[in-house]
Amino acid sequence: GAVVSQHPSRVICKSGTSVKIECRSLDFQATTMFWYRQFPKKSLMLMATSNEGSKATYEQGVEKDKFLINHASLTLSTLTVTSAHPEDSSFYICSARDGQRESYNEQFFGPGTRLTVL
Amino acid sequence: GQNIDQPTEMTATEGAIVQINCTYQTSGFNGLFWYQQHAGEAPTFLSYNVLDGLEEKGRFSSFLSRSKGYSYLLLKELQMKDSASYLCAAADSNYQLIWGAGTKLIIKP
Repeated sequence: GAVVSQHPSRVICKSGTSVKIECRSLDFQATTMFWYRQFPKKSLMLMATSNEGSKATYEQGVEKDKFLINHASLTLSTLTVTSAHPEDSSFYICSARDGQRESYNEQFFGPGTRLTVL
Repeated sequence: GQNIDQPTEMTATEGAIVQINCTYQTSGFNGLFWYQQHAGEAPTFLSYNVLDGLEEKGRFSSFLSRSKGYSYLLLKELQMKDSASYLCAAADSNYQLIWGAGTKLIIKP
């Protein structure tokens, strides 16, 4: 159990376009979802924490108008990279916390989305 | 501030044992996680410790000392497929995960 999917797995886009990445919990209800980005050979960097039905909490230095997060249901969160630029090229990973076992606070990770902006 | 330290890279031989150390400083503490990440893939869960002591799970074991702010991941009978990065993460008082930079483990035949 506790499977998280992400779509798309890879995306290549032109500079200036917007890209939407979906994160779904397939067999559990995710009250909280997290969005990370990871540059090559670097650790995960938390971008924002998303709670179902409320606004996302962004980490310092992350532009909320550029990285739009929507957590409309208990199984789906989306990250939209608006007006993407080459420096936004990165590996974006979502994770979800199972609302049935908050006390355990384990995060289940999606497979990641490799974004390349030309 | 909050900080996680772990070695950048380690090398070990197939069939041997390796211990990856992690020290942490967090505002509050709600457990220590170890994740495995192969290149180009998302992290996968290995272990969770919230009480002092050793948790054994097959070839992998994880140890925690809360008083020392210290954990280690022990990998036995190393296999080539164990070549990966191993991420240490501590949950703070808000259950936010504070991540280490990861330890790249290289297994040689």
